[in-house]
Amino acid sequence: DAGVIQSPRHEVTEMGQEVTLRCKPISGHDYLFWYRQTMMRGLELLIYFNNNVPIDDSGMPEDRFSAKMPNASFSTLKIQPSEPRDSAVYFCASSLNGNTIYFGEGSWLTVV
Amino acid sequence: QKEVEQNSGPLSVPEGAIASLNCTYSDRGSQSFFWYRQYSGKSPELIMFIYSNGDKEDGRFTAQLNKASQYVSLLIRDSQPSDSATYLCAAKGREYSTLTFGKGTMLLVSP
Repeated sequence: DAGVIQSPRHEVTEMGQEVTLRCKPISGHDYLFWYRQTMMRGLELLIYFNNNVPIDDSGMPEDRFSAKMPNASFSTLKIQPSEPRDSAVYFCASSLNGNTIYFGEGSWLTVV
Repeated sequence: QKEVEQNSGPLSVPEGAIASLNCTYSDRGSQSFFWYRQYSGKSPELIMFIYSNGDKEDGRFTAQLNKASQYVSLLIRDSQPSDSATYLCAAKGREYSTLTFGKGTMLLVSP
């Protein structure tokens, strides 16, 4: 079975540009999570969805970040405008019934 | 604030030795605990989870949980250089809640 699929794997963008990260969860999973990982802060939960509905977005840093899940097989995380401090690895993850979480390969974002 | 604390390391052990990785958590309501391994430049992958006090063994890995002390550990027997990675401990609260991760402990196994 395919795991969690993320795109792009790597993105370098200029400050002020819009960044869109995409995720396809494991088929049948009803929870989807967006995490951000940095050396300083470790893995931080940004937002999670249950059955396509956002449940907790308290980890979203600020209004520049937004996330959507229009259907069970697709989610996006958007940063507009991007800033250098947003440089990090963004992981999408999914789980069934909120149990074991499986991570995608991550999207490595560099904002210059 | 739910917190999971880990020593950042690195923890260095020789090949064949037992590596002991430790984790403490602040939320007494935490129900289950997970150990993930993350190789450099890769995503976290689940090693094992535990939710009952005591030990749980899976191959060379043993997870230990002491809820009274709010302490979780992972033992890796017969450590191999391929075990060199960062090990993330995570705690999960009540059903349907999310995982809170520690920052991870880097393990280095020297041949």
